Amino acid sequence: SSELTQDPAVSVALGQTVRITCQGDSLRSYYASWYQQKPGQAPILVIYGQNTRPSGIPDRFSGSSSGNTASLTITGAQAEDEADYYCISRDNSGNPVLFGGGTKLTVL
Amino acid sequence: QITLKESGPTLVKPTQTLTLTCTFSGFSLSTSGVAVGWIRQPPGKALECLALIYGNDAKVYRSSLKSRLSITKDTSKNLVALTMTILDPGDTATYYCAHVEMTTKAAFDYWGQGTLVTVSS
Repeated sequence: SSELTQDPAVSVALGQTVRITCQGDSLRSYYASWYQQKPGQAPILVIYGQNTRPSGIPDRFSGSSSGNTASLTITGAQAEDEADYYCISRDNSGNPVLFGGGTKLTVL
Repeated sequence: QITLKESGPTLVKPTQTLTLTCTFSGFSLSTSGVAVGWIRQPPGKALECLALIYGNDAKVYRSSLKSRLSITKDTSKNLVALTMTILDPGDTATYYCAHVEMTTKAAFDYWGQGTLVTVSS
């Protein structure tokens, strides 16, 4: 089982807004970072910290957090956003980091 | 420009020991707050972090695998090695190394391409 909880699959119509969530106790203490992974490729960091996008990540990606839940929002989803998305947070219980189980995003 | 690349065997027999090497450039692993991590992904499954090593040589291991893992660094050669003992077919996975800037980002901001390791007799 994963240490952070994500919905296994989410779908969104092209151009619409989708929110992908991540739940876990560690998120009360630490920000989540979010990663996009397409088939056969290494993950790419899309959001870290309170809501910071690395260079080159479109501004349709944003992050937020409340209580034990972190969220990744894609505003105006594009076909190329279809991918698996993972959340990560730091951990207080001895593990290096905690991973979510991943959410498969389908853009319809 | 930060780059990382994993190398090691692609096929290992059960009960054997696996050693993977991550060769990197564009940063120094003696810098405070910088770390390199090993992450693996079994086919069709989620990512999991196996170990982190910091510039000050602090090491953190995945609790459930701690007895089987060892992570080391050679700062002069810009490489990090991961050793895993007593391999099992369940250890079949793509293994990635990644750069972590823990102070300001606390995120894996650069990743290697990954290397697929198959455990089979």
